[in-house]
Amino acid sequence: NAGVMQNPRHLVRRRGQEARLRCSPMKGHSHVYWYRQLPEEGLKFMVYLQKENIIDESGMPKERFSAEFPKEGPSILRIQQVVRGDSAAYFCASSPLSANSPLHFGNGTRLTVT
Amino acid sequence: DAKTTQPNSMESNEEEPVHLPCNHSTISGTDYIHWYRQLPSQGPEYVIHGLTSNVNNRMASLAIAEDRKSSTLILHRATLRDAAVYYCIRGGIIFGKGTRLHILP
Repeated sequence: NAGVMQNPRHLVRRRGQEARLRCSPMKGHSHVYWYRQLPEEGLKFMVYLQKENIIDESGMPKERFSAEFPKEGPSILRIQQVVRGDSAAYFCASSPLSANSPLHFGNGTRLTVT
Repeated sequence: DAKTTQPNSMESNEEEPVHLPCNHSTISGTDYIHWYRQLPSQGPEYVIHGLTSNVNNRMASLAIAEDRKSSTLILHRATLRDAAVYYCIRGGIIFGKGTRLHILP
């Protein structure tokens, strides 16, 4: 049973380009969560999605960031017009149920903006 | 707001037990307590969770205070591979800064 798969593992973008980060949840999991982690800091919650629905986006920046989890295919975190401050590790987690289910994390995508 | 309080860092000797504390004084009756750990350059890894009773699994034990306002993660015999950041979370998805555990050989 494959775990949470994130790709790419490393992504380099120039300022102003778009970054697309993909997350395939564990089989049978319909809840996906995205987090951002700056070096030497904790995980900052960004968004919680269920199939085709955004449940909680309270941690998402108001501009340039968007997330989706379509009926078919992986969840996508999209960052438009990237800036250097977007450089971070982005982690995705999935769970089979919502409240109180343990989260299963991928190994992250490390975004570097040059 | 993570709503949990953990020490920034702790040290322990290899092959000794480690007790990692967490305060969650505003926990509600239905909130589970989850523990995760994160090794360098990896995603967080689930360790254990519980509601009221103490819990044991192959990785660790979780001791929950009777009033549920605090809990302790217990690693019974620390190894060098247990060096990581340990996160305690109450009832949800918001992580705090965790405790960085150093294991001394």
